[in-house]
Amino acid sequence: AQSVTQLDSQVPVFEEAPVELRCNYSSSVSVYLFWYVQYPNQGLQLLLKYLSGSTLVKGINGFEAEFNKSQTSFHLRKPSVHISDTAEYFCAVSVSRDDKIIFGKGTRLHILP
Amino acid sequence: GAVVSQHPSWVICKSGTSVKIECRSLDFQATTMFWYRQFPKQSLMLMATSNEGSKATYEQGVEKDKFLINHASLTLSTLTVTSAHPEDSSFYICSARDPPREQFFGPGTRLTVL
Repeated sequence: AQSVTQLDSQVPVFEEAPVELRCNYSSSVSVYLFWYVQYPNQGLQLLLKYLSGSTLVKGINGFEAEFNKSQTSFHLRKPSVHISDTAEYFCAVSVSRDDKIIFGKGTRLHILP
Repeated sequence: GAVVSQHPSWVICKSGTSVKIECRSLDFQATTMFWYRQFPKQSLMLMATSNEGSKATYEQGVEKDKFLINHASLTLSTLTVTSAHPEDSSFYICSARDPPREQFFGPGTRLTVL
């Protein structure tokens, strides 16, 4: 079975500072990896995804993530955050031959002025 | 493209009543739709996978008779919470798969059972 671990439940960071949200996964087969963002009382919006190919994936809103197979990680980064980035961020995994998406517990990003 | 809508966005009902939530793919056909529930400040938990024209596949621990799922067409799946109780209050989110692309998520439905 697949699982996703987001090591930090909350991450405070000052505006315009860089941020990294950590994600590790567990799977015995190859996987697809995703990062979603959820603003208050809203659904999920896809930030970026890794399906295959280049391990550095660029997404929307200036976010990027790097797939590291040896460390089974898919950390999300942004060089300079803004107040509007305040949200809940979910890392997720899907097995290639299975459509189910398994979500991590989420990381709440707090942007400090 | 690839827009998924849910209706209603917010519903309040009395304990013991049933509530139906609709999930629609607006600009693509979805042979597979998924239903998730999310408790406050928690992650999304997959409830069931809904395939058009066949019975839904429920995750372990999800009561089939309580959460009725119908996927009658390629653009519509419904989730009916039967005999709702306060502990069923949650945020219900659907998603639809648009092959070969990934799943697209609806905006969610907040259910409050009094």
